Amino acid sequence: DAGVTQSPTHLIKTRGQQVTLRCSPKSGHDTVSWYQQALGQGPQFIFQYYEEEERQRGNFPDRFSGHQFPNYSSELNVNALLLGDSALYLCASSLARVEGYTFGSGTRLTVV
Amino acid sequence: AQSVAQPEDQVNVAEGNPLTVKCTYSVSGNPYLFWYVQYPNRGLQFLLKYITGDNLVKGSYGFEAEFNKSQTSFHLKKPSALVSDSALYFCAVFDKAGGSYIPTFGRGTSLIVHP
Repeated sequence: DAGVTQSPTHLIKTRGQQVTLRCSPKSGHDTVSWYQQALGQGPQFIFQYYEEEERQRGNFPDRFSGHQFPNYSSELNVNALLLGDSALYLCASSLARVEGYTFGSGTRLTVV
Repeated sequence: AQSVAQPEDQVNVAEGNPLTVKCTYSVSGNPYLFWYVQYPNRGLQFLLKYITGDNLVKGSYGFEAEFNKSQTSFHLKKPSALVSDSALYFCAVFDKAGGSYIPTFGRGTSLIVHP
């Protein structure tokens, strides 16, 4: 039973560029949440997708956007990258928005 | 609003000794509380949770946590630490009555177990 799969594992981008990160949820899960974890910090909630809609959003600018597909997989898009966007981006899946989050190993994004 | 605090950035303990990692929380209703562990360059792994019931919760790898409503705490404990327990530990909370299913995480506590 596959857990949460994220791709790519590492990424280096230049300021001003755009990036897309991908997440496949654990089998049987239908809800995907995205978190940003800066070095030395706890994960900060970006947004959550359920039934292909953004259900809740954290305190992140509109440069951060997402999508959920009919197969429950999800993408996180970040436009106009800033140096401060450098972080580990974590995807977590769950069933019907309830507790029981399963996290992926994350995508390490470095903006230079 | 919901929040969680982990007052210690780092906890050092000798192998074989008991360990405690502290967590306090703030919610308007009844809390759902979680502990996760993170190894270097990895995602978060679930350890245990408190939803309701017995205040002492037992989880993975011999860890347990005690829910104390009067002190709004949910400290993580283990009777005998192992070197392999060295990792980053995160406490998380959400208040289901608040309509949010999104856990808020603490800043994390680095646990270092010395041989």
